[in-house]
Amino acid sequence: EIVLTQSPATLSLSPGERATLSCRASQSVSSSLAWYQQKPGQPPRLLIYDASNRATGIPARFSGSGSGTDFTLTISSLEPEDFAVYYCQQRSNWPPGFTFGPGTKVEIK
Amino acid sequence: QVQVQQWGAGLLKPSETLSLTCAVYGGSFSGFYWSWVRQPPGKGLEWIGEINHGGSTNYNPSLKSRVTISVDTSKNQFSLSLKSVTAADTAVYYCAREDLVGATNAFDYWGQGTLVTVSS
Repeated sequence: EIVLTQSPATLSLSPGERATLSCRASQSVSSSLAWYQQKPGQPPRLLIYDASNRATGIPARFSGSGSGTDFTLTISSLEPEDFAVYYCQQRSNWPPGFTFGPGTKVEIK
Repeated sequence: QVQVQQWGAGLLKPSETLSLTCAVYGGSFSGFYWSWVRQPPGKGLEWIGEINHGGSTNYNPSLKSRVTISVDTSKNQFSLSLKSVTAADTAVYYCAREDLVGATNAFDYWGQGTLVTVSS
């Protein structure tokens, strides 16, 4: 089973600052990694797939990078609506299923 | 436009069976796998299991003994049953569509979520 870890658990930043979030996999997932944003009371929203491709409608300030076991989600300049929790996710072929990282909360400093 | 709506009982007693249903409107139902994901209050996301239109399922090994996911293709609906619930099963339960986006299996459409509370 592939385990995803995320760091930091909490990131305290001001609007306009750059946010850098990390996701590490316990074994290689190639580039098959997704990132989600979740705001209170809402389901997660797909941001990034294939580690670096923005999903439909996602602003260009969101970018992803990495492959293998180390991945990064970068928000170039935080907007007020970006303060939320971010999860990484991968799918395993065996046993078949999905795992999520524990999440990084981006909060207003 | 794909819409995913879910419903089910929100308050259960320990040992009862959780039952939730998700309906899909718009888009294709048969071309995808459909999943259930849960989130305990203040915690992260946990995948429960998935089903396709043909009824093929996969479950999280940690829940497999208590979970059944079924499908009704005539109504474009799928359902979750979780038996013998305890307080540890208290969570918001989501249904979601899986899609192969690029080379990544990801969830692109989600239900609104149902808070299920287990309490005596």
